[in-house]
Parts: sequence; structure tokens; C-alpha cells
Amino acid sequence: DAMVIQNPRYQVTQFGKPVTLSCSQTLNHNVMYWYQQKSSQAPKLLFHYYDKDFNNEADTPDNFQSRRPNTSFCFLDIRSPGLGDAAMYLCATSRESTGGRVQPQHFGDGTRLSIL
Amino acid sequence: AQKITQTQPGMFVQEKEAVTLDCTYDTSDPSYGLFWYKQPSSGEMIFLIYQGSYDQQNATEGRYSLNFQKARKSANLVISASQLGDSAMYFCAMRPNFGNEKLTFGTGTRLTIIP
Repeated sequence: DAMVIQNPRYQVTQFGKPVTLSCSQTLNHNVMYWYQQKSSQAPKLLFHYYDKDFNNEADTPDNFQSRRPNTSFCFLDIRSPGLGDAAMYLCATSRESTGGRVQPQHFGDGTRLSIL
Repeated sequence: AQKITQTQPGMFVQEKEAVTLDCTYDTSDPSYGLFWYKQPSSGEMIFLIYQGSYDQQNATEGRYSLNFQKARKSANLVISASQLGDSAMYFCAMRPNFGNEKLTFGTGTRLTIIP
């Protein structure tokens, strides 16, 4: 049973044409994350939501935006994709870490974005 | 700030042998969690195992165990009786217990199991 669902699995867009990637979760986790992962590299955090609070990483380009209309859904908008934005985009969720246990992040299958 | 170091970019292991993937970390946080993730070529990131910094015992999950040596700041993943399906990229990661929710990843180790 998929718990973090990303659509589509593969996305092709044209240079400069806005694109939206979606993520939904059935875990009711209050924290959601978007990562960018390029070939043979570790995932790079773009931003995360702590409930409705948006937290942008300092080096995330302005070209990348996000929306979280409710607990279950989160979207990644790339306003004007460039060739360098071709990558795997991973969505993850977690509970906030409380007490003695740090909560793991649970990832979706990712969306592989290609730019023509 | 946290840092994760994985010094083995690639490893080749014979099927059915045990394998150890190295991970060292650096942090000033007194309480933190350490994680290992598996990423097959299909791209999904699969959570394997967790170790809390104050846990007294090393974590185990089936064929996976974590050799946690806090004084040496190491958290090596041990896979027993390796299988062909274990071929994947493996990432070590850490996260502080409070405050910043950010997960810091290492650069990964590509494991290939040879039949």
C-alpha cells in the first residue's frame, strides 16, 4: 500500500514551460519535504512544510515554489524549468520528532523530470 | 551543522556474503537519529533502519543491523547473507532530535552483489 504517492512517475516538459509535480500522503504526517536528486548524488533538500509553515532552504532557487493546501497534499511548482533542473524529485513525509525518538522520513517513488 | 561521510563510493560483494557499509558522522547536537536508506535503480528511497543516539543496543531489522559506535561517531550498516536484490545505492543520513527537521545525507555507496 503506497503511503507517499507521487504523480506522475515521469514528467517531460519544455524549456521554460511551467510544470507542477504532486505528492499526497495517507500517513497524516505533519511534515512534508521536497528533495531534488541529480544522477549519482545525494538528495538535496529544497524546502519543507512543518504543518502550514513553509521553510525554504537558503540555496533553493526562486524558480522553485511549493504549495500545501492541506495535510495530505503538497505540490512543487517549477516556474521556468531550465536544462539544469532535469532530475529526480522526491517527496517525503515524517512526524515531528518528539521525546527520545527521531522520526524517519518516508519517501515516495519520485518523479523523474526531463527538460526538452 | 551535521556532516555524514561515506568513504566507499562502490562495493562488489559475492552473493550470500555479509557486507559492511561504512558511515561516520559529525554533529554538535546531543541527541540525534541515524538512518540508512536503500535506493534501487528505479529511484525510490526505502527506509531500512534507525539508531537513536541514546539507544543502548544496536538496531536490527531482519538482515540489516547497525554497528553503532558513538565514541567513534560511526554507524556502519551490516547486511547479512547478501542477495542479488540488495544491489542498490545506500545512503546514511542523520537528523537532530529537536528543532531543525532537516535530514543530512552522505554521498552514498553503490553496492553490487555478484552471483
